[in-house]
Amino acid sequence: DGGITQSPKYLFRKEGQNVTLSCEQNLNHDAMYWYRQDPGQGLRLIYYSQIVNDFQKGDIAEGYSVSREKKESFPLTVTSAQKNPTAFYLCASTKGIKDEKLFFGSGTQLSVL
Amino acid sequence: EDKVVQSPLSLVVHEGDTVTLNCSYEVTNFRSLLWYKQEKKAPTFLFMLTSSGIEKKSGRLSSILDKKELFSILNITATQTGDSAVYLCAVTYSGAGSYQLTFGKGTKLSVIP
Repeated sequence: DGGITQSPKYLFRKEGQNVTLSCEQNLNHDAMYWYRQDPGQGLRLIYYSQIVNDFQKGDIAEGYSVSREKKESFPLTVTSAQKNPTAFYLCASTKGIKDEKLFFGSGTQLSVL
Repeated sequence: EDKVVQSPLSLVVHEGDTVTLNCSYEVTNFRSLLWYKQEKKAPTFLFMLTSSGIEKKSGRLSSILDKKELFSILNITATQTGDSAVYLCAVTYSGAGSYQLTFGKGTKLSVIP
């Protein structure tokens, strides 16, 4: 079955540490997205990518970085510069950048030790 | 200022009740409004509405859009415990280059036996 796989499901970060969240899709979608979800808040866009080797900042990109070396993969690195990283992170994709229907992965819960 | 406002933020009903969830928005160059259900982790797509006054229906769920008054409602009839979830509303609108998508904070629905 096609879908989006995020790993790990749970991740703990020590102070000053960079951590990377994995997102892989086999839907053959061109566009991929990273969202952050805090309790009682809506989803906020961190980064998105329309095609391989290209990505743009979203609304809350500070303290995060991404890469898009392969169509299927869009990993997110939470750097030590992100002072409040505890949140639920969702990866999503759309067929193309002009498609509105998002397909989501199951998310990664990141907590700070 | 929030562009997409959902109400109520939480709701508790008994099985068999009918519920109405609201989503109002304030954007320019509106394209579409989407509803998602988030039970545990991954939001799943329910409806996408682009035309005013046309009801979308899927089983006990239905939704309608009013582009003049800038809102949408999601109705769930004969609620079941399996309907317990956070319901997310998202609005897309034309922005620089492609389109923007903004989520509301969600409505947490709890259905008790």
